[in-house]
Amino acid sequence: DAGVTQSPTHLIKTRGQQVTLRCSPKSGHDTVSWYQQALGQGPQFIFQYYEEEERQRGNFPDRFSGHQFPNYSSELNVNALLLGDSALYLCASSLGGGGAGNIQYFGAGTRLSVL
Amino acid sequence: SQQGEEDPQALSIQEGENATMNCSYKTSINNLQWYRQNSGRGLVHLILIRSNEREKHSGRLRVTLDTSKKSSSLLITASRAADTASYFCATVRNRDDKIIFGKGTRLHILP
Repeated sequence: DAGVTQSPTHLIKTRGQQVTLRCSPKSGHDTVSWYQQALGQGPQFIFQYYEEEERQRGNFPDRFSGHQFPNYSSELNVNALLLGDSALYLCASSLGGGGAGNIQYFGAGTRLSVL
Repeated sequence: SQQGEEDPQALSIQEGENATMNCSYKTSINNLQWYRQNSGRGLVHLILIRSNEREKHSGRLRVTLDTSKKSSSLLITASRAADTASYFCATVRNRDDKIIFGKGTRLHILP
């Protein structure tokens, strides 16, 4: 039973560039959430996708956008990268939408470095 | 800003001892969850406690919740080297169902 998979594992970009991160949820899950985790901090909620729509959003600018596909996989896009966007980006999947109240299963993350 | 705040920020104990971590939060919650993270990798869900529950157990883990004090504690009994990790509490707010993580407690189990 495949867990949550994220790609790529590491990524290096320069300021101003755009990046796309990908996530495949755990088998049977239909809800995907994205988090940003800076070094030494806890994860910060970016947004959640359910039924191919953004259902909830945290305090992140419009430079952060996403998409969910019919197979429930998801992408996180970040435009006009800033140095402060350097972080570990985590994807989590769960079942049935329902906000953040359900148990979430996390992927290993994508480490993004912006130079 | 992050709602959950763990205490202590770091904890070192001898293998076999018990480890206790605390979490305080500010607003009314739907539930509170504890997660473990090894070496900056993905988080692993440990336990979820709802706002109408006071205590839950799972193996060597015991979680308590005091909604009047807006605080929770995680107890790990008979610690093992494999328990070395960062532990995060996450609160799900009543008003908007959003999840907020604290900064975590770094636990180190000494052999």
